[in-house]
Amino acid sequence: TQLLEQSPQFLSIQEGENLTVYCNSSSVFSSLQWYRQEPGEGPVLLVTVVTGGEVKKLKRLTFQFGDARKDSSLHITAAQPGDTGLYLCAGVRTGTASKLTFGTGTRLQVTL
Amino acid sequence: DADVTQTPRNRITKTGKRIMLECSQTKGHDRMYWYRQDPGLGLQLIYYSFDVKDINKGEISDGYSVSRQAQAKFSLSLESAIPNQTALYFCATSEGGTDTQYFGPGTRLTVL
Repeated sequence: TQLLEQSPQFLSIQEGENLTVYCNSSSVFSSLQWYRQEPGEGPVLLVTVVTGGEVKKLKRLTFQFGDARKDSSLHITAAQPGDTGLYLCAGVRTGTASKLTFGTGTRLQVTL
Repeated sequence: DADVTQTPRNRITKTGKRIMLECSQTKGHDRMYWYRQDPGLGLQLIYYSFDVKDINKGEISDGYSVSRQAQAKFSLSLESAIPNQTALYFCATSEGGTDTQYFGPGTRLTVL
């Protein structure tokens, strides 16, 4: 059973388009992270959200943590080819300090 | 130099062989983790260690063993490799009290 489901699984868009990736669960998380992974490399942390309803912005990327701390979203504005990669959400369930549960991943391709 | 290194980066082996994957870190972190990554499944935790004398099973530990030789070194062994252990394997570290994990570049293992 996958605790964190991401959608969509694949996304191919053109440069300049906007997109949203979703990360959903029936479990409550004390914090949730988003990572980006490029081919041949390990995941790299983009952001951590810890408060229900929290919104964080990182340039053209906007991250939101659901009010109930069960879901999160990543919105990219005006996507660029450099945004191409695998996006992974990962959460720490309450009482499981530092153990991350990873989502299924969303593979994004941005073309010119 | 990379903070988290993994060796080898690629390995092809045959069914029944014993394989060891090694991970070293220069970040000074107490906590180390081993994950495997399969397409469409995100990352699954195999084993984790919160200090040299602490070893814990993750979600999918069957068929694997680990050794924490020092604070900076954490190795993963496959005692008798089987084809469904073909995957990308990642080592990660984190500092005690924080949830952020830092990943190595990964080892691509193929079991024929």
